[in-house]
Amino acid sequence: NAGVTQTPKFRVLKTGQSMTLLCAQDMNHEYMYWYRQDPGMGLRLIHYSVGEGTTAKGEVPDGYNVSRLKKQNFLLGLESAAPSQTSVYFCASSYSPLAGGPNEQFFGPGTRLTVL
Amino acid sequence: AQSVTQPDIHITVSEGASLELRCNYSYGATPYLFWYVQSPGQGLQLLLKYFSGDTLVQGIKGFEAEFKRSQSSFNLRKPSVHWSDAAEYFCARGQGGKLIFGQGTELSVKP
Repeated sequence: NAGVTQTPKFRVLKTGQSMTLLCAQDMNHEYMYWYRQDPGMGLRLIHYSVGEGTTAKGEVPDGYNVSRLKKQNFLLGLESAAPSQTSVYFCASSYSPLAGGPNEQFFGPGTRLTVL
Repeated sequence: AQSVTQPDIHITVSEGASLELRCNYSYGATPYLFWYVQSPGQGLQLLLKYFSGDTLVQGIKGFEAEFKRSQSSFNLRKPSVHWSDAAEYFCARGQGGKLIFGQGTELSVKP
């Protein structure tokens, strides 16, 4: 049981390049999330998904796209990377909220992305 | 908008001393609250959570937190800090299946 895994762990891009970050979970969770972490700002939600084939915008979605073609995978794409997207990216997953309540999220180890 | 505030950006304590990390949330009905810990270069690990019931919640690694509705607070405590507790700590509030995080508090431990 690997939990939540992220690929790659590190990446350096040049401005304008594109890339895809892969998140995989083996806990059969319905919900999946992508966050970015920047110093002094905590974690901010980029996009999330409440089930296979669905996605929704979070707090900071601009410049990112996501896809959830399979329940266990959640992809984060950067079509044209910018230096402002230099950050550490975390994926998380959880079960559906119970009766409208929240749900514990399980986090991956993170991807450190630098855009030059 | 609902929010979470961690007033202390950085705290330093001596090993063996007690610890309290502060967390305040904006008012809302039935808050669902979490504390996560992030060791350097790692992802986030859940320490404890509060949904309802007993306002004093026990977590892993000897941590506890107390929910105080009157003060809109959910402070994290540990009676005796170990060097391995040096990390960043995040308070979070659940909202509609999502989490809203505070800015984090970095804990340093002096020998």
